[in-house]
Amino acid sequence: RKEVEQDPGPFNVPEGATVAFNCTYSNSASQSFFWYRQDCRKEPKLLMSVYSSGNEDGRFTAQLNRASQYISLLIRDSKLSDSATYLCVVNTWGANNDMRFGAGTRLTVKP
Amino acid sequence: DAGVIQSPRHEVTEMGQEVTLRCKPISGHNSLFWYRQTMMRGLELLIYFNNNVPIDDSGMPEDRFSAKMPNASFSTLKIQPSEPRDSAVYFCASSLPGGGTDTQYFGPGTRLTVL
Repeated sequence: RKEVEQDPGPFNVPEGATVAFNCTYSNSASQSFFWYRQDCRKEPKLLMSVYSSGNEDGRFTAQLNRASQYISLLIRDSKLSDSATYLCVVNTWGANNDMRFGAGTRLTVKP
Repeated sequence: DAGVIQSPRHEVTEMGQEVTLRCKPISGHNSLFWYRQTMMRGLELLIYFNNNVPIDDSGMPEDRFSAKMPNASFSTLKIQPSEPRDSAVYFCASSLPGGGTDTQYFGPGTRLTVL
């Protein structure tokens, strides 16, 4: 079993749609959680950290469920520019030495 | 501010040749990471340095791979001899742990093709 698992997609949605991605992790000792975004042929970039209480950044909402060991990302009112691969990232020791990346979920937003 | 700088951006070489990838982390960052990304395996951590010292190299595939960080502003990843299965995008990332954040900032990557 992979340490971080994501539905690879692709998710194809129309502009304005709401789309949700889930990610599960296997190590219950994991401490830090993130969503990164990667555009085609580009480097991953931090989208947002995920906090225990859940957090929102504009159209993006991240949730963490420690009991079930999953993380979610909700994108509301999706834009064409949201088309990218979204990587779930889990850090086990709260330090940089054990960042595990999911394989990514591909999103395409269509006009 | 300059981000993480990697060179070359593209490298095409023949099997058996030596390949050297270079990385300049963000100034002031004390952690540096080398990753490899392929369609099959996704993003894999190869090695991680903290204050120029290799901390975890368990992700380095085999002895053909080596990495160095002679100072805080420069690191290299060397493959010798290279093989076609080494073809991938190699990313370097840096971070400044602590302060409640451990965000990693990635360079643009080096796309390596081994023929």
